[in-house]
Amino acid sequence: AQSVTQPDIHITVSEGASLELRCNYSYGATPYLFWYVQSPGQGLQLLLKYFSGDTLVQGIKGFEAEFKRSQSSFNLRKPSVHWSDAAEYFCAVGAGASKIIFGSGTRLSIRP
Amino acid sequence: GAGVSQSPRYKVAKRGQDVALRCDPISGHVSLFWYQQALGQGPEFLTYFQNEAQLDKSGLPSDRFFAERPEGSVSTLKIQRTQQEDSAVYLCASGGGRTQETQYFGPGTRLLVL
Repeated sequence: AQSVTQPDIHITVSEGASLELRCNYSYGATPYLFWYVQSPGQGLQLLLKYFSGDTLVQGIKGFEAEFKRSQSSFNLRKPSVHWSDAAEYFCAVGAGASKIIFGSGTRLSIRP
Repeated sequence: GAGVSQSPRYKVAKRGQDVALRCDPISGHVSLFWYQQALGQGPEFLTYFQNEAQLDKSGLPSDRFFAERPEGSVSTLKIQRTQQEDSAVYLCASGGGRTQETQYFGPGTRLLVL
């Protein structure tokens, strides 16, 4: 069965520092992969997605993610975080034609 | 343009009460999804519509949960005889209808069952 693991429940980084959020997935075929961000009181917003092609995907707000099939990973990165990046981040895998399976999320805090 | 809207934003129900949660998708979007997000967890898929057809309801946790989209636009998620474990945020998303297209999420309805 498809699943997504986000091993880090909570991460704190200093403003201006680099960020990497980990994501591992389990899926039998070539996966559709997503990263979403959820700010308090806000809906989920898509940061980026991978369907095929270039394994390094660029997203909004300066985020990028790299698909590594050999490691079943799709880690999210940002070279320099801003205080406004504090939020909950969810990795997700597309299952079938429509369903999305989400990980349990990583809460990002920014140290001033 | 307007995004996905949901109402009410907050709902407090007494155990055993029936509730109805509404979702207004982005105009013209064919696909509509419902998810349940428990506190501290990621969203979990409940059900999926393409136009008025409910194509997947495998995530509905019990027969107390019922969703409809009679005219292929607005959708309602109904929960009968609510239980405390139903307390969660219920998220609605809509999309253009293609395979694994981007889903646009609403702000959610936070349901608290006392």
